[in-house]
Amino acid sequence: DAGVTQSPTHLIKTRGQQVTLRCSPKSGHDTVSWYQQALGQGPQFIFQYYEEEERQRGNFPDRFSGHQFPNYSSELNVNALLLGDSALYLCASSLQREQFFGPGTRLTVL
Amino acid sequence: AQSVSQHNHHVILSEAASLELGCNYSYGGTVNLFWYVQYPGQHLQLLLKYFSGDPLVKGIKGFEAEFIKSKFSFNLRKPSVQWSDTAEYFCAVVFSGGYNKLIFGAGTRLAVHP
Repeated sequence: DAGVTQSPTHLIKTRGQQVTLRCSPKSGHDTVSWYQQALGQGPQFIFQYYEEEERQRGNFPDRFSGHQFPNYSSELNVNALLLGDSALYLCASSLQREQFFGPGTRLTVL
Repeated sequence: AQSVSQHNHHVILSEAASLELGCNYSYGGTVNLFWYVQYPGQHLQLLLKYFSGDPLVKGIKGFEAEFIKSKFSFNLRKPSVQWSDTAEYFCAVVFSGGYNKLIFGAGTRLAVHP
């Protein structure tokens, strides 16, 4: 049984560009959450998707958007990239109260 | 504001020493509590969790944690650490109404020397 998978593993972009990160949840999980982990910090909640709708959102600007597909996979989009968006982006999936994390996508903005 | 504090940012221990990592949260309502571990080069893994019931919970690899409601604390303990416990440890809380929204502490980096 595959766990949570994320792609790509690493990504380098320049300021002002747009990026799309992808996540496939653990089999049977219907909820996907996205987190941003800056260097030396704990993960920060971006938003959560359930039944293809954004269920709740953290303190992130509208440049951060997402989508959930009928197969429960999810995308995170970031527009107008800033240097401060450089971080590890984590996807977590859940069915009930326990979340399982993927390996993350390391985004570097130059 | 809902927040989670981890008191120690870096801890260095020798093998066989005892470990206690502190975690406090800001809010007095119903909470779900978690400790996650991130080994070098690996993704976040769940060590243990508390939802309700016995406030002393046991997790994987000999770790345990105690929920003290009056102190808003959920400290992680291990009686005897091993070199393989070298990792970063994160305390995380889901506050009531949070729909599984995890609020993480800043993490504690543990180094265990042989």
